Amino acid sequence: AQSVTQLGSHVSVSEGALVLLRCNYSSSVPPYLFWYVQYPNQGLQLLLKYTSAATLVKGINGFEAEFKKSETSFHLTKPSAHMSDAAEYFCAVSLGSGNTGKLIFGQGTTLQVKP
Amino acid sequence: GAGVSQSPSNKVTEKGKDVELRCDPISGHTALYWYRQSLGQGLEFLIYFQGNSAPDKSGLPSDRFSAERTGGSVSTLTIQRTQQEDSAVYLCASSLVAGVSYEQYFGPGTRLTVT
Repeated sequence: AQSVTQLGSHVSVSEGALVLLRCNYSSSVPPYLFWYVQYPNQGLQLLLKYTSAATLVKGINGFEAEFKKSETSFHLTKPSAHMSDAAEYFCAVSLGSGNTGKLIFGQGTTLQVKP
Repeated sequence: GAGVSQSPSNKVTEKGKDVELRCDPISGHTALYWYRQSLGQGLEFLIYFQGNSAPDKSGLPSDRFSAERTGGSVSTLTIQRTQQEDSAVYLCASSLVAGVSYEQYFGPGTRLTVT
């Protein structure tokens, strides 16, 4: 069965500091992996996705994530945090073959950015 | 163009009543997904449609939950005899076609409160 674990339900960084949000996955087949962001009272927005092409994936708003098969990880990073990055972030996994697009989400990480 | 819309945005209902939640997908999107976001369970898949068919209903938590889609467009999620544990935000997403290669676009959600 597939699953996703996000380490840390809350992460706090100072403006301008590195953002690192952790995600580990469990999948019996090559996974497709996603990061979504949710701003208050809004739906989810896709930040980036890994679909077995390049292991380093660049997304919107300066975010990127690296797929590491040996570590079963897909951590999200941004070199310099902005106040506008404060939101909840979800890592998700979907089956690669015969897939329906159904997403399995992690529990989410709330990012706080301090001035 | 218009995104995914959901109505109502908020719904308060009494325990035991039936509720209907509506989702209008992006025009031309053939796949539609329902997810539920609750404090205890996080983000969970409920059901998805490809056209008017629902190949995967595995996430519906009980037989009190049902969903339909007509005309390959609007979908309605119905919860009968609501319980307090049904309180959550119900999110709808649509994509061009069902499958991991196609981005899911999320609506703002319907916040359901069962009193």
